Amino acid sequence: KQEVTQIPAALSVPEGENLVLNCSFTDSAIYNLQWFRQDPGKGLTSLLLIQSSQREQTSGRLNASLDKSSGRSTLYIAASQPGDSATYLCAVGAAGNKLTFGGGTRVLVKP
Amino acid sequence: SAVISQKPSRDICQRGTSLTIQCQVDSQVTMMFWYRQQPGQSLTLIATANQGSEATYESGFVIDKFPISRPNLTFSTLTVSNMSPEDSSIYLCSVEGEGGNEKLFFGSGTQLSVL
Repeated sequence: KQEVTQIPAALSVPEGENLVLNCSFTDSAIYNLQWFRQDPGKGLTSLLLIQSSQREQTSGRLNASLDKSSGRSTLYIAASQPGDSATYLCAVGAAGNKLTFGGGTRVLVKP
Repeated sequence: SAVISQKPSRDICQRGTSLTIQCQVDSQVTMMFWYRQQPGQSLTLIATANQGSEATYESGFVIDKFPISRPNLTFSTLTVSNMSPEDSSIYLCSVEGEGGNEKLFFGSGTQLSVL
C-alpha cells in the first residue's frame, strides 16, 4: 500500500526566502506525482504535475523535482511572498488516476 | 481547466440523518472522484464514479454508507447516510482535466459537521 509522507508538517519563513517542501513515497511504481495548494474554504489548486518519466516541472517561481528510484519529490518556491501562505499537498498517482495524498506542509510566509 | 461547483459549501447536521452533496462540472468528464478530509488529516479517496456504471469504492468505504449517483457526464452526488460525529469532515469532488489530462481539479469542498 502506497504511503506518502511530507516533511516538515509546518514551515514559517520571512518574505523573500526560498521554500523547500519535501515529499516521500514508499512504492516507486507511480504514474505521476502532483503538488497541490490548499487554501481554507477554497478546495485544492493543482500546481504541478510530473509524469513518472520526468525529472522535474517548472511553472513561474515553482519547481518540482521527482526521483522515483529514491521515492522523493521536492517542491521549490523561489522568493516567497505572503500570498504563498497555504497548505501544500503532495499526491502520488496510480492507475485510474487515483491519488494518495501526503499529510501536507502548512506554510506561513511572514511579511 | 475544469470549473467545479460543489453544494452545499457547509452544513451542520444531526446524528442519524443523511446529507446529499452535489458536484456540477462545466464540461463533460469521464471520471469523477469523491474524497474525504477528516479534521487535521489529508485527503482519502472514497470512490470513483463513472457515468452509466456503479461507483467503485475504496477499502473502508461502502455503498450503503456513501451512495453515489452519476446520471450524466457533468454531474454527481455523494450521500453521507445515517451520519455520526465521526463523519464530520470536508468532502471534495474531483475531475480529470480535458483530453485525458491527468491533472485533477477539485471543487471547493463541503464542510460537514455532525452533532
